Amino acid sequence: AQRVTQPEKLLSVFKGAPVELKCNYSYSGSPELFWYVQYSRQRLQLLLRHISRESIKGFTADLNKGETSFHLKKPFAQEEDSAMYYCALSPGRRGSNYKLTFGKGTLLTVNP
Amino acid sequence: DTGVSQDPRHKITKRGQNVTFRCDPISEHNRLYWYRQTLGQGPEFLTYFQNEAQLEKSRLLSDRFSAERPKGSFSTLEIQRTEQGDSAMYLCASSLTLSANYGYTFGSGTRLTVV
Repeated sequence: AQRVTQPEKLLSVFKGAPVELKCNYSYSGSPELFWYVQYSRQRLQLLLRHISRESIKGFTADLNKGETSFHLKKPFAQEEDSAMYYCALSPGRRGSNYKLTFGKGTLLTVNP
Repeated sequence: DTGVSQDPRHKITKRGQNVTFRCDPISEHNRLYWYRQTLGQGPEFLTYFQNEAQLEKSRLLSDRFSAERPKGSFSTLEIQRTEQGDSAMYLCASSLTLSANYGYTFGSGTRLTVV
Protein backbone atom coordinates (compact mmCIF):
# COMPACT_ATOMS: atom_id res chain seq x y z
CA ALA A 1 0.00 0.00 0.00
CA GLN A 2 1.16 3.51 -0.66
CA ARG A 3 1.26 6.35 1.80
CA VAL A 4 2.15 10.04 1.58
CA THR A 5 3.21 12.02 4.61
CA GLN A 6 3.36 15.78 4.83
CA PRO A 7 4.74 16.42 8.30
CA GLU A 8 3.82 20.10 8.51
CA LYS A 9 0.17 21.12 8.63
CA LEU A 10 1.10 24.79 8.70
CA LEU A 11 4.12 26.67 7.37
CA SER A 12 4.60 30.40 7.66
CA VAL A 13 7.40 32.37 6.01
CA PHE A 14 8.10 35.97 5.12
CA LYS A 15 8.05 37.27 1.58
CA GLY A 16 11.40 36.74 -0.10
CA ALA A 17 12.43 33.92 2.22
CA PRO A 18 13.11 30.40 0.92
CA VAL A 19 10.39 27.87 1.43
CA GLU A 20 10.45 24.08 1.54
CA LEU A 21 7.35 21.94 1.90
CA LYS A 22 8.21 18.42 2.91
CA CYS A 23 6.75 15.25 1.46
CA ASN A 24 7.76 11.69 2.24
CA TYR A 25 6.23 8.63 0.68
CA SER A 26 6.01 4.92 1.18
CA TYR A 27 5.70 2.68 -1.85
CA SER A 28 7.48 -0.49 -2.86
CA GLY A 29 7.68 0.23 -6.58
CA SER A 30 8.64 3.24 -8.67
CA PRO A 31 5.99 5.85 -8.08
CA GLU A 32 5.13 9.01 -9.88
CA LEU A 33 4.95 12.03 -7.61
CA PHE A 34 2.97 15.22 -7.94
CA TRP A 35 2.35 18.47 -6.14
CA TYR A 36 -1.14 19.92 -6.24
CA VAL A 37 -2.08 23.39 -5.02
CA GLN A 38 -5.35 24.90 -3.89
CA TYR A 39 -5.55 28.68 -3.69
CA SER A 40 -8.29 30.29 -1.65
CA ARG A 41 -11.71 29.67 -3.16
CA GLN A 42 -10.25 27.85 -6.15
CA ARG A 43 -10.22 24.23 -7.21
CA LEU A 44 -7.37 21.84 -6.66
CA GLN A 45 -4.90 22.10 -9.52
CA LEU A 46 -1.74 20.40 -10.60
CA LEU A 47 1.40 22.36 -9.80
CA LEU A 48 4.13 20.05 -11.03
CA ARG A 49 5.08 16.43 -11.77
CA HIS A 50 8.39 14.83 -10.98
CA ILE A 51 8.69 13.14 -14.39
CA SER A 52 8.73 16.45 -16.21
CA ARG A 53 11.45 17.95 -14.00
CA GLU A 54 9.91 21.34 -14.59
CA SER A 55 9.84 24.56 -12.62
CA ILE A 56 6.41 26.09 -12.21
CA LYS A 57 5.93 29.52 -10.64
CA GLY A 58 9.49 29.24 -9.37
CA PHE A 59 8.79 25.96 -7.55
CA THR A 60 10.87 22.85 -8.06
CA ALA A 61 10.72 19.39 -6.56
CA ASP A 62 13.26 16.59 -6.78
CA LEU A 63 12.43 12.96 -6.26
CA ASN A 64 14.92 11.40 -3.85
CA LYS A 65 14.36 7.66 -4.01
CA GLY A 66 16.93 6.97 -1.31
CA GLU A 67 15.12 9.15 1.20
CA THR A 68 11.69 8.51 -0.36
CA SER A 69 11.07 12.22 -0.44
CA PHE A 70 9.68 14.75 -2.88
CA HIS A 71 10.09 18.10 -1.18
CA LEU A 72 8.77 21.25 -2.86
CA LYS A 73 11.09 24.24 -2.86
CA LYS A 74 11.12 27.85 -3.87
CA PRO A 75 14.07 30.18 -3.24
CA PHE A 76 12.06 33.38 -2.76
CA ALA A 77 8.47 33.07 -1.56
CA GLN A 78 5.81 35.49 -2.78
CA GLU A 79 2.56 36.46 -1.06
CA GLU A 80 0.60 34.90 -3.92
CA ASP A 81 2.14 31.52 -3.04
CA SER A 82 -0.07 31.37 0.03
CA ALA A 83 -2.22 28.28 -0.48
CA MET A 84 -2.78 24.68 0.56
CA TYR A 85 -0.27 22.31 -1.00
CA TYR A 86 -0.83 18.58 -1.40
CA CYS A 87 1.75 15.98 -2.30
CA ALA A 88 0.36 12.99 -4.20
CA LEU A 89 1.62 9.63 -5.39
CA SER A 90 0.57 7.43 -8.26
CA PRO A 91 1.70 3.83 -8.74
CA GLY A 92 3.03 4.84 -12.14
CA ARG A 93 3.01 2.84 -15.34
CA ARG A 94 2.86 -0.51 -13.65
CA GLY A 95 -0.16 0.74 -11.77
CA SER A 96 -3.00 0.37 -14.15
CA ASN A 97 -5.20 3.14 -12.92
CA TYR A 98 -3.06 6.15 -12.05
CA LYS A 99 -4.96 6.35 -8.78
CA LEU A 100 -3.57 9.16 -6.66
CA THR A 101 -2.88 8.92 -2.96
CA PHE A 102 -2.71 12.35 -1.33
CA GLY A 103 -1.03 13.63 1.78
CA LYS A 104 -2.98 15.67 4.30
CA GLY A 105 -1.65 18.92 2.96
CA THR A 106 0.42 21.86 4.18
CA LEU A 107 -1.06 25.32 4.46
CA LEU A 108 1.58 27.82 3.39
CA THR A 109 1.24 31.42 4.48
CA VAL A 110 3.62 34.00 3.08
CA ASN A 111 3.63 37.13 5.19
CA PRO A 112 4.45 40.58 3.79
CA ASP B 1 -15.92 26.58 -19.40
CA THR B 2 -14.12 23.51 -20.69
CA GLY B 3 -13.03 22.23 -17.28
CA VAL B 4 -14.59 19.64 -15.01
CA SER B 5 -18.04 20.68 -13.81
CA GLN B 6 -19.79 19.45 -10.70
CA ASP B 7 -23.36 20.01 -9.66
CA PRO B 8 -24.60 21.05 -7.19
CA ARG B 9 -21.89 23.09 -5.47
CA HIS B 10 -23.55 22.68 -2.09
CA LYS B 11 -26.11 20.23 -0.76
CA ILE B 12 -27.71 20.17 2.66
CA THR B 13 -29.78 17.12 3.40
CA LYS B 14 -31.43 15.47 6.35
CA ARG B 15 -30.04 12.25 7.67
CA GLY B 16 -31.61 9.29 5.96
CA GLN B 17 -32.30 11.07 2.68
CA ASN B 18 -30.75 10.09 -0.64
CA VAL B 19 -28.58 12.51 -2.60
CA THR B 20 -27.11 12.43 -6.09
CA PHE B 21 -24.22 14.44 -7.45
CA ARG B 22 -23.25 14.95 -11.04
CA CYS B 23 -19.86 15.37 -12.68
CA ASP B 24 -19.16 16.43 -16.26
CA PRO B 25 -15.53 15.73 -17.14
CA ILE B 26 -13.44 17.30 -19.85
CA SER B 27 -14.96 15.87 -22.99
CA GLU B 28 -11.89 14.11 -24.37
CA HIS B 29 -10.92 12.60 -21.01
CA ASN B 30 -11.75 8.91 -20.79
CA ARG B 31 -10.96 8.47 -17.11
CA LEU B 32 -13.13 9.86 -14.34
CA TYR B 33 -12.46 9.73 -10.62
CA TRP B 34 -14.43 10.44 -7.47
CA TYR B 35 -12.67 11.52 -4.30
CA ARG B 36 -13.91 12.57 -0.89
CA GLN B 37 -12.26 15.17 1.28
CA THR B 38 -13.00 15.86 4.92
CA LEU B 39 -11.68 18.69 7.05
CA GLY B 40 -7.96 18.50 7.61
CA GLN B 41 -7.47 15.61 5.24
CA GLY B 42 -6.28 15.25 1.70
CA PRO B 43 -8.61 13.86 -0.95
CA GLU B 44 -9.34 10.13 -0.53
CA PHE B 45 -10.01 7.89 -3.49
CA LEU B 46 -13.53 6.50 -3.84
CA THR B 47 -13.83 5.07 -7.33
CA TYR B 48 -12.84 5.51 -10.94
CA PHE B 49 -14.12 4.83 -14.43
CA GLN B 50 -12.43 4.23 -17.71
CA ASN B 51 -15.05 5.16 -20.25
CA GLU B 52 -18.25 3.59 -18.89
CA ALA B 53 -16.55 0.80 -16.95
CA GLN B 54 -16.11 1.19 -13.21
CA LEU B 55 -12.69 -0.36 -12.69
CA GLU B 56 -12.00 0.13 -9.02
CA LYS B 57 -13.90 0.98 -5.84
CA SER B 58 -12.38 1.86 -2.52
CA ARG B 59 -13.46 0.06 0.62
CA LEU B 60 -14.48 3.55 1.75
CA LEU B 61 -17.36 3.18 -0.68
CA SER B 62 -19.98 1.39 1.38
CA ASP B 63 -23.05 -0.29 -0.07
CA ARG B 64 -24.92 2.99 0.34
CA PHE B 65 -22.72 4.58 -2.31
CA SER B 66 -23.13 3.93 -6.01
CA ALA B 67 -21.55 5.59 -8.99
CA GLU B 68 -22.36 5.37 -12.67
CA ARG B 69 -21.02 6.66 -15.92
CA PRO B 70 -23.59 5.29 -18.32
CA LYS B 71 -22.32 6.60 -21.64
CA GLY B 72 -18.73 7.22 -20.75
CA SER B 73 -19.34 10.93 -20.44
CA PHE B 74 -20.88 12.41 -17.29
CA SER B 75 -20.99 10.50 -14.01
CA THR B 76 -23.30 10.44 -11.02
CA LEU B 77 -22.53 9.56 -7.43
CA GLU B 78 -25.50 8.59 -5.28
CA ILE B 79 -25.51 8.22 -1.53
CA GLN B 80 -28.49 6.43 -0.05
CA ARG B 81 -29.70 6.83 3.52
CA THR B 82 -27.18 9.56 4.26
CA GLU B 83 -25.43 9.67 7.62
CA GLN B 84 -23.73 12.57 9.34
CA GLY B 85 -20.39 10.95 8.65
CA ASP B 86 -21.02 11.41 4.93
CA SER B 87 -20.62 15.17 5.33
CA ALA B 88 -17.63 16.05 3.18
CA MET B 89 -16.48 17.64 -0.05
CA TYR B 90 -16.97 15.26 -2.97
CA LEU B 91 -14.48 15.89 -5.73
CA CYS B 92 -14.58 14.70 -9.29
CA ALA B 93 -11.55 14.62 -11.56
CA SER B 94 -10.80 13.46 -15.05
CA SER B 95 -7.74 12.49 -17.04
CA LEU B 96 -6.57 10.98 -20.28
CA THR B 97 -5.04 7.55 -20.58
CA LEU B 98 -1.62 8.26 -21.95
CA SER B 99 1.74 6.69 -21.66
CA ALA B 100 2.77 9.59 -19.47
CA ASN B 101 0.80 10.48 -16.38
CA TYR B 102 -0.25 14.07 -16.69
CA GLY B 103 -2.26 14.09 -13.52
CA TYR B 104 -5.85 15.01 -12.99
CA THR B 105 -8.07 17.99 -13.68
CA PHE B 106 -10.36 18.53 -10.72
CA GLY B 107 -13.79 20.02 -10.48
CA SER B 108 -14.76 22.51 -7.79
CA GLY B 109 -16.47 19.84 -5.75
CA THR B 110 -19.85 19.32 -4.14
CA ARG B 111 -19.99 20.10 -0.44
CA LEU B 112 -22.43 17.81 1.33
CA THR B 113 -23.77 18.62 4.77
CA VAL B 114 -25.93 16.02 6.47
CA VAL B 115 -28.00 17.42 9.35
